[in-house]
Amino acid sequence: SYELTQPLSVSVALGQAATITCGGNNIGTKSVHWYQQKPGQAPVLVIYRDTNRPSGIPERFSGSNSGNTATLTISRAQAGDEADYFCQVWDSSTVIFGGGTKLTVL
Amino acid sequence: EVQLVESGGGLVQVGGSLRLSCAASGFTFSSHWMNWVRQAPGKGLEWVASIKRDGSEKNYVDSVKGRFIISRDNAKDSVFLQMNNLRAEDTAVYYCARDSGSGYVDYWGQGTLVSVSS
Repeated sequence: SYELTQPLSVSVALGQAATITCGGNNIGTKSVHWYQQKPGQAPVLVIYRDTNRPSGIPERFSGSNSGNTATLTISRAQAGDEADYFCQVWDSSTVIFGGGTKLTVL
Repeated sequence: EVQLVESGGGLVQVGGSLRLSCAASGFTFSSHWMNWVRQAPGKGLEWVASIKRDGSEKNYVDSVKGRFIISRDNAKDSVFLQMNNLRAEDTAVYYCARDSGSGYVDYWGQGTLVSVSS
C-alpha cells in the first residue's frame, strides 16, 4: 500500500519560514492535501490539490509537489501556527495520511 | 453553514459493539462521499471507511474489514459506523468527514471518543 513519510517535528523561529515535507513514491503524480490540527481540535484543511488555499487560510501558507516530495511552506511563522500538520493523498479508493509533523515556533 | 455532529461514542469492553452516528446539515448530503477518520490518543490521523453518495460503494482500511460497517441514510442526512468485535487498538476519537468531491476532506466534525477497555 502507498505510504507517506513526514518528519516527526520541525522547529522554526518566529517570523521565519517553515518547511514541512511529505515523501512518497512518485508523489508528484498525485494530488496532495494538507491539514493543520491544534490540540483538542478537529483538523482544518490548509492546502488542497498541491497548491490551493481554501478561503480563510492566510497567504503565508503555500504548497508544492514534485518528484517524490510534497512540501508545505509557512512563511513568516506565527505563534498561532504551532500545530500538527498532516499530508494526505487518495490512492486506490483509500485515503492515506502521513504520520504528521509537529511544528514548534520558537 | 456546514455542520457535522457525531454521537454514539463511549466506553465499551473488548469484543463489544458500538454504533456511531453523524448528523449532517448545511449542504446537500446526498451529493458527497462521506468518511470516518480516527485518531488514537497522541497519534496521527487514520482513515477508517468511506461511502459513496448513494451508498453503493464502501471502502475500509484493512484493520477494520469484516468488523466495521459504514452506511448512510440520505433521507435523514446521516452517516453511520457500526463497529463490532472491538479491540483495544480501536480506542480513538472518531471524526465524521465530508469529502470535497476531489479526494480531500473539506469539513470535519468535532469527533466522538471511543474507548475500548480490556
